[in-house]
Amino acid sequence: NAGVTQTPKFRVLKTGQSMTLLCAQDMNHEYMYWYRQDPGMGLRLIHYSVGEGTTAKGEVPDGYNVSRLKKQNFLLGLESAAPSQTSVYFCASSSSGLAGTETQYFGPGTRLLVL
Amino acid sequence: AQSVAQPEDQVNVAEGNPLTVKCTYSVSGNPYLFWYVQYPNRGLQFLLKYITGDNLVKGSYGFEAEFNKSQTSFHLKKPSALVSDSALYFCAVRERGGDTGRRALTFGSGTRLQVQP
Repeated sequence: NAGVTQTPKFRVLKTGQSMTLLCAQDMNHEYMYWYRQDPGMGLRLIHYSVGEGTTAKGEVPDGYNVSRLKKQNFLLGLESAAPSQTSVYFCASSSSGLAGTETQYFGPGTRLLVL
Repeated sequence: AQSVAQPEDQVNVAEGNPLTVKCTYSVSGNPYLFWYVQYPNRGLQFLLKYITGDNLVKGSYGFEAEFNKSQTSFHLKKPSALVSDSALYFCAVRERGGDTGRRALTFGSGTRLQVQP
């Protein structure tokens, strides 16, 4: 049982390049989330998904797109990377228990540097 | 809107002494409250949560937290700190009820705990 995994662990991009971050979970969780972590700002929600085929915007969605084609995978895409997207990206998942009480489980993170 | 404040960027404590990491929250209704810990170059690990009932919540690694509704606080505590407790600690809140979008957590900015030997 690997929990939540993320690939890649680290990536350097040039401004304007695109990339996709992959998140996978093996806990059969309904909900999945993408956060970014910046110094002094905690974690901020980018996008989330409440089930296969559904996605929604979070607090800071601009410049990102997501897809949830399979229940176990949640992809985060950057179509045209900008230096402001330099950050550490965390994926999380949670079950669909009593609304709001479920614990989120986090992946190890992807460190992205945009030059 | 919901928000979390962690007023201390860093807390320093000597090994063996009690530790407290402070957290206050703001929600329009009743909260669900969480504490997570992050070790260097790792993801966040769940420590404990308050859902309802007893205001004192016990969690992993000997940590506990006390929910105080009148002070809108959820401070993290441990009776005797270990050097291995040194890490970044995040408090998070979610408002009860509402639509599925509200399942997302709102995090504080984090408090770095440094335990000196």
